Amino acid sequence: QTVVTQEPSLTVSPGGTVTLTCASTTGAVTSGYYPNWFQQKPGQAPRALIYSTSNKHSWTPDRFSGSLLGGQAALTLSGVQPEDEAEYYCLLYLAGAQLWVFGGGTKLTVL
Amino acid sequence: QVQLQESGPGLVKPSQTLSLTCTVSGGSMSSGDYYWSWIRQPPGKGLEWIGHIYYTGSSFYNPSLKSRLSISVDTSKNQFSLKVSSVTAADTAVYYCARVVAHYDILTGHQHYDMDVWGQGTTVTVSS
Repeated sequence: QTVVTQEPSLTVSPGGTVTLTCASTTGAVTSGYYPNWFQQKPGQAPRALIYSTSNKHSWTPDRFSGSLLGGQAALTLSGVQPEDEAEYYCLLYLAGAQLWVFGGGTKLTVL
Repeated sequence: QVQLQESGPGLVKPSQTLSLTCTVSGGSMSSGDYYWSWIRQPPGKGLEWIGHIYYTGSSFYNPSLKSRLSISVDTSKNQFSLKVSSVTAADTAVYYCARVVAHYDILTGHQHYDMDVWGQGTTVTVSS
């Protein structure tokens, strides 16, 4: 069974840059996993940020970008703002089995 | 603008069946571009994909929950539903419904899967 892992927590200073990663226990994450990224703030539903590795929604701030790095999916925040403090989840799609698997989430602290 | 809204009992007794409905407004469910998903989040924990259904009724489930799950769709009402049988305290969670857009970009030749719209979530507690 595929397990998706993320850093449990990261801290970044306002204005800084941070990269969150998303790895699969079954091997390298490729574009064929169609990585999605979500932001969730306390008491709120998750909000979609990135789909299919690097595609942004109309509401996704420009400072968020998605990519593949070293066999992992990655979400980079450049010029971090205090309002970016949140939990971030990645989601991978196993298209052959039509299954989705969430990562455990990364708690991002802006300090 | 498509919106999703979950509804159902907030309290379910152990060993009983949890039943939730997601109502889709602002758009039709009967499009080949969409899958309709259920996700849950136990208190203080991460997200877990439960399963999804296509408008034709074809459904796919998380293997760890499959034996207790049933997802159905009623396109005439623009609703899809979730049933989880034999619930325990471990099924206590916020339950979300979400839309997945599946489309092929003919300009780039790329397939996309995008879980773009979520409901607000509904809290279900399993307790006697």
